[in-house]
Amino acid sequence: KQEVTQIPAALSVPEGENLVLNCSFTDSAIYNLQWFRQDPGKGLTSLLLIQSSQREQTSGRLNASLDKSSGRSTLYIAASQPGDSATYLCAVRPAGGATNKLIFGTGTLLAVQP
Amino acid sequence: EAQVTQNPRYLITVTGKKLTVTCSQNMNHEYMSWYRQDPGLGLRQIYYSMNVEVTDKGDVPEGYKVSRKEKRNFPLILESPSPNQTSLYFCASSSLWPGENIQYFGAGTRLSVL
Repeated sequence: KQEVTQIPAALSVPEGENLVLNCSFTDSAIYNLQWFRQDPGKGLTSLLLIQSSQREQTSGRLNASLDKSSGRSTLYIAASQPGDSATYLCAVRPAGGATNKLIFGTGTLLAVQP
Repeated sequence: EAQVTQNPRYLITVTGKKLTVTCSQNMNHEYMSWYRQDPGLGLRQIYYSMNVEVTDKGDVPEGYKVSRKEKRNFPLILESPSPNQTSLYFCASSSLWPGENIQYFGAGTRLSVL
């Protein structure tokens, strides 16, 4: 059974710092991995999607990497800003199924202090 | 603007009183699903639908029903709500085309069953 773990559960950093959020999954048979941002009262917003054949994806100050064989993904945030404060979730889509079902981690709560 | 719209956003009800949470998407997506989010458990899938009139159970379907009579709508029905269904609910949609699997989420419905 696929399990997704995110460490740390919470992180507080000063503004401007570069930071890394970690995600690990137990079954390497995945179709893709997606990073989301969750803001209170605003649902989930997709940040980056990495297909199983890809190693990384970049969007602005965000860079996500995927090492499928070791069951790990990292989300790198450069030059963090207070507006980056949110909960970050990673989710994997298991391979072999016809659905788009996602298995989620429990998230990392990020606070960027001004 | 691409949107997944859930209503209501907040709902307080009593045990046994039937309720429906609506979900609508404007992206012509084939795939829609419902998740619930609970502290320490992350998001778990309740039901999903691959297309009109095609629905199936997710990981935690007990106590819920869904229907997909139109492509854009996917309501979640609680026939006899119980306190253990107090949770934050999210509707999501995505295309089933390979490479276009980014999932879009609604803003969430916070349900309290007394």
